[in-house]
Amino acid sequence: EPEVTQTPSHQVTQMGQEVILRCVPISNHLYFYWYRQILGQKVEFLVSFYNNEISEKSEIFDDQFSVERPDGSNFTLKIRSTKLEDSAMYFCAIAIGGSSTDTQYFGPGTRLTVL
Amino acid sequence: AQKVTQAQTEISVVEKEDVTLDCVYETRDTTYYLFWYKQPPSGELVFLIRRNSFDEQNEISGRYSWNFQKSTSSFNFTITASQVVDSAVYFCALIGSNDYKLSFGAGTTVTVRA
Repeated sequence: EPEVTQTPSHQVTQMGQEVILRCVPISNHLYFYWYRQILGQKVEFLVSFYNNEISEKSEIFDDQFSVERPDGSNFTLKIRSTKLEDSAMYFCAIAIGGSSTDTQYFGPGTRLTVL
Repeated sequence: AQKVTQAQTEISVVEKEDVTLDCVYETRDTTYYLFWYKQPPSGELVFLIRRNSFDEQNEISGRYSWNFQKSTSSFNFTITASQVVDSAVYFCALIGSNDYKLSFGAGTTVTVRA
């Protein structure tokens, strides 16, 4: 199983502040994803990133969200102005292999708390 | 749009009992893939199995087994002789051949009591 790390493990921020969540896959992959899970709820898709561009995004992924691979290895999710309802666990995932339908392996998650 | 339904919210069993988790899905795709993930109390999402829509063979891995029935659009998961370490939330998920995202069910919380 490929290893994916995420930093930080827990982020506490004030409403309206910007946060950047980081994902570091150990080896090179083509497909990257962000999902979130509000406490006690289902896992929700945010965005998929393929070949250095967004391939699909959900309704949740509005203008306050952005993703990028700033240095070709890290994969980041930025929330420009956090809201209380952004409090959730954010998971990065990668797919190995050459297809978007390959198994997605998840990082340990970043717990975001917006006060 | 893909839809995955896990009607069982919580299941509680005593150790060594078998437990079956139901998963029913809806899709218009002819080619799709089904998954099960485990989320233990520590919070990470652990991949358990991937099954494509053309392979209806049941699969067994240790105490885990999966029953895929296309006729009823179900992909059920059974834990045999449950153990306390099996206590977790289990998610069923689906991805269509042209999708870039997993669609998850709501999850089933399994509690195994010693």
